[in-house]
Formats: sequence, structure tokens, C-alpha cells
Amino acid sequence: EAQVTQNPRYLITVTGKKLTVTCSQNMNHEYMSWYRQDPGLGLRQIYYSMNVEVTDKGDVPEGYKVSRKEKRNFPLILESPSPNQTSLYFCASSSRVQPYNEQFFGPGTRLTVL
Amino acid sequence: AQSVTQLGSHVSVSEGALVLLRCNYSSSVPPYLFWYVQYPNQGLQLLLKYTTGATLVKGINGFEAEFKKSETSFHLTKPSAHMSDAAEYFCAVRGNSGYSTLTFGKGTMLLVSP
Repeated sequence: EAQVTQNPRYLITVTGKKLTVTCSQNMNHEYMSWYRQDPGLGLRQIYYSMNVEVTDKGDVPEGYKVSRKEKRNFPLILESPSPNQTSLYFCASSSRVQPYNEQFFGPGTRLTVL
Repeated sequence: AQSVTQLGSHVSVSEGALVLLRCNYSSSVPPYLFWYVQYPNQGLQLLLKYTTGATLVKGINGFEAEFKKSETSFHLTKPSAHMSDAAEYFCAVRGNSGYSTLTFGKGTMLLVSP
């Protein structure tokens, strides 16, 4: 089954404790992206990757890091989480070769930073 | 640069009434346009998309949208609302290059009353 998986689905942590949210897709997609969703603000892009070893900042990259060492994986790293990073996070992937194709979204990770 | 404006953060309709969710976009290149739906506590699911060709696009669950280039609009409609349509709806735009990213509107919450 074609899918995007994220782990963990729920996470409660404390300020300053490094964490990683994993994202994996099995569709051989070149393009992967991370979004955060906050009430009234919709989805805002954090980082995206056009292919392996190619990443770029989205609209709200501050406080986040990413890496793309393999085509299927695109982890999101919070080196020193702060309460304003409490949010719902989505990973997505799509074909870069066919940009008219939809983005497939993961189930989301709800992060709370105390 | 590209952007999406969704008019109305909340839209309320009665069951059986017409649903109209408005979306206007700006794009410096011919766009691909998408509508996604998010049911409570779930990820995003594609409703429909416009790429090229026919400007009236039909999607799942009886929804359709019309691409109007002159008005830079892509409004979503459904002739008769059902209680199960209650969800948040997001309009999104992507340029026609493989290097274009997907930009979302802030979302419209559809409330359906009996």
C-alpha cells in the first residue's frame, strides 16, 4: 500500500530536549516536505527536499533541521524545542517529475513542548 | 511567488443546502490547483485537482470546482451538503515546474447543521 508514515504520532516533551520525528514513504517520490498546522494559520511549510541530499527552507524553518540521506526518509529534527513549536506536524511526498500529482500526507504528529 | 486566499475561515450551511467554499490564487506561472479535506483528527485527503484541460473538475464525495483563469479562482462547490461533509477544507496551488512547491490557504471549516 502506498503510504507516508510518521513516528511518533504523539509526543510530549520538555523545553530543550532534542527530538526527531521520522517520516518515510514507499512511493519512490523525489519530493518530500514538512508542514506544521496551527489553528487559523493553515499549513505552513517548514522544509522541503527535491531529492537526496537536496533540502531547502520553507516559510517557517527557524528552530528545525532536516536531512535527506535516503530517498525514502526525511526526518525532522528539533535540536532545542520550545513551547512555540507545539503544533501538529505533517510530512508529505510527491513526484517531482509529475508536479500535477497530488501530495500524499502522513497521519500527522502532535507535538507538545512544555 | 504564489499564494492562496480562502475567503471565510468558517462556513455554515444546513444539510441539503449548497456548499460554496471560495479560493483565489496568485501564481506567476500556469498553476496546478488542489482541494484537500481534513476530517477531525485525521490527515489531509485529496478531493480534486486541476491540471490542464477541462476547467470544471469533479472530485470525490460529490464535490466539484471550476478553474476560472480570468478571476484567478478555484471555488469548491457541492449541490447538497451532508452531515458527513463537516471538515476543514484547504485550497492549494503549485506551479507547473517540478521545482515548484505546494502552497496552502489557511483553510475553511465547513459546519453542517441538521
